[in-house]
Amino acid sequence: AAGVIQSPRHLIKEKRETATLKCYPIPRHDTVYWYQQGPGQDPQFLISFYEKMQSDKGSIPDRFSAQQFSDYHSELNMSSLELGDSALYFCPSSFYSNEQFFGPGTRLTVL
Amino acid sequence: QKEVEQNSGPLSVPEGAIASLNCTYSDRGSQSFFWYRQYSGKSPELIMFIYSNGDKEDGRFTAQLNKASQYVSLLIRDSQPSDSATYLCAVSPQGNEKLTFGTGTRLTIIP
Repeated sequence: AAGVIQSPRHLIKEKRETATLKCYPIPRHDTVYWYQQGPGQDPQFLISFYEKMQSDKGSIPDRFSAQQFSDYHSELNMSSLELGDSALYFCPSSFYSNEQFFGPGTRLTVL
Repeated sequence: QKEVEQNSGPLSVPEGAIASLNCTYSDRGSQSFFWYRQYSGKSPELIMFIYSNGDKEDGRFTAQLNKASQYVSLLIRDSQPSDSATYLCAVSPQGNEKLTFGTGTRLTIIP
């Protein structure tokens, strides 16, 4: 079965640089969520989109923005990167329920 | 106090025994409850979900929900070394909404 696709899988950036993470949900899934998981931490909800509209917002810094496109893929844009942004970023998707299926994630390292 | 509480462990269980993982939550409006398994450095994998009071069984896994006590648990029967992982309890108000995770319980199955 098709799963969530995230790219890149690994990303290394310097402080104050920008990064763009891409997410392709499971086909026919209408909701995409973004979570950030720091080392040894539980996933923290950042933002979600339902049918290309922002549906909920969590602890997403003002330096971050996200959107969902007409083909349902989503991008998380991160600017002025800080050391504390180093984490795993996940974008599970769901359809008509809350069963969220996680993809492999993007590991972001900020040096 | 975190919204979702789990004993961080580590919890050590002999191979073949029953592993019991517990989770409590503070929001009485929570409607959806999930258990995810996460291997180190990997993404969370959905293994069980439960919406109604009582037990739900799927193979070696049983989820138990008691909304009056705001308590959800996961039992793993016939534990295998491959069950060694961190188990994340997640809670949501209702469908298509963000998940709030506990900090996870690290489970080790001893051969």
